[in-house]
Amino acid sequence: EVQLLESGGGLVQPEGSLRLSCEASGFTLNSHAMSWVRQAPGQGLEWVSAISVSGEVTYYADSVKGRFTISRDISKNTVYLQMNSLSAGDTAVYFCAKEVATGGYFDYWGQGTLVTVSS
Amino acid sequence: SSELTQPPSVSVSPGQTARITCSGDALPKQYGYWYQQKPGQAPVLVMYKDTERPSGIPERFSGSSSGTTLTLTIDGVQAEDEADYYCQSAGSRVNWVFGGGTRLTVV
Repeated sequence: EVQLLESGGGLVQPEGSLRLSCEASGFTLNSHAMSWVRQAPGQGLEWVSAISVSGEVTYYADSVKGRFTISRDISKNTVYLQMNSLSAGDTAVYFCAKEVATGGYFDYWGQGTLVTVSS
Repeated sequence: SSELTQPPSVSVSPGQTARITCSGDALPKQYGYWYQQKPGQAPVLVMYKDTERPSGIPERFSGSSSGTTLTLTIDGVQAEDEADYYCQSAGSRVNWVFGGGTRLTVV
C-alpha cells in the first residue's frame, strides 16, 4: 500500500528556515517523480516543486525559486523540502504527492503538514 | 493568475447532475485531471487524461474535453460528493498548474 507521511511543519518566524520531510512507503522514489504542493488557508492548490525520477533534475515555481530546495534520500525513501527566507505568504499546508510512472498527474498524496510563518 | 479557470461554486440538489468546468488555452494540447478535496483531507484523483476514471471512483463521475474546456460531470449527485474540485494540467511556466477550485454544494 502506497503511503506518504509528511513531517517537519510548524511555526517559524519571518526570514526563518524549515525542512519538510515526506517518507514514502509502498513504492521506491527512484521509480517516480515527486512534488510538493501547498495550500494556503482557505485557498486553492499551488504546485511548488518537483524532483525527477532520476533525482538529478529539480523544478520550482517562480514564487519559491532561489529560496526552496527539493532533494531526496533513496536509502530512506524520503523526499525533503528545505525552505529558507520564509515569509507570511509561505504559510500553508504542504502536501507531498507522487506522480504516476508516465508522469503528468498525482495518484497519491500525503495528509499534509502545516507551516505557519509568523512573528 | 491561474492558467486554468474554474467557477468558484456550483450548487445542485441531490440526484441532479453537476457539471464543473475548467478553461485553459493549453487544454487542447494537454491532458486535464481532476481532484476532489474534502475539508481537512488531502486531494483525491477522480479523473485522469480528460476522461479516464481511476479504480474506486464511482461510475457517476465522468469527464470530457472540448476545445479549451474540460468538464467534470457527476450524475445523480450524492451528499458525499460535496467537496472542492480542482482541475490540473501542465503549465506553460511551471510544471503543473491547478485551477482555482470549485466548491460543489449539495443543497
